[in-house]
Amino acid sequence: QKEVEQDPGPLSVPEGAIVSLNCTYSNSAFQYFMWYRQYSRKGPELLMYTYSSGNKEDGRFTAQVDKSSKYISLFIRDSQPSDSATYLCAKKRNDYKLSFGAGTTVTVRA
Amino acid sequence: DAGVTQSPTHLIKTRGQQVTLRCSPKSGHDTVSWYQQALGQGPQFIFQYYEEEERQRGNFPDRFSGHQFPNYSSELNVNALLLGDSALYLCASSSGGRREGHLNTEAFFGQGTRLTVV
Repeated sequence: QKEVEQDPGPLSVPEGAIVSLNCTYSNSAFQYFMWYRQYSRKGPELLMYTYSSGNKEDGRFTAQVDKSSKYISLFIRDSQPSDSATYLCAKKRNDYKLSFGAGTTVTVRA
Repeated sequence: DAGVTQSPTHLIKTRGQQVTLRCSPKSGHDTVSWYQQALGQGPQFIFQYYEEEERQRGNFPDRFSGHQFPNYSSELNVNALLLGDSALYLCASSSGGRREGHLNTEAFFGQGTRLTVV
């Protein structure tokens, strides 16, 4: 079983829509959860990270963690064509490696 | 701030050859991690270097080896290349390596080296 499973997509939404991205994870040891954005032919860029259950907001982005169900989500409000990218969820335990999901490719149509 | 820089950006090698990829971490960072990202997949952890030593290793064979220099830059070496080694190789740098259990701050990724094995 993979440590992080991510809804595969791809997703295509009209500009202004809410984008919802989801992942589940295994292994309940204390850990951090992250969302990265990766544009084509680029390295991943950290969007947000959190370690507690609940919501964390940063501008148009909201990261949600539900540790009871081992579910992590990212919501993008008022989506823009510039949000078109692959979004990667990841988790990090007390050791050092990041465990990534496979990524969801999002296209926001103008 | 140049961020994390990797070289070369693209590389084509033949099966059986050896390759060396290079990474310079973001200024102020002392920890370098390497990841392999196959097409359509998330990055997979190869290993992490801190204080010039391999601190943790993922599930990769011994053909994958690395090195960290006193200036914190790092190399990834892959011997006896296989077709399946074709991927984007990513370097990530971070700091705070002394504090075990700490997030090790955000990991900043380079743009990667696209390796094609033919």
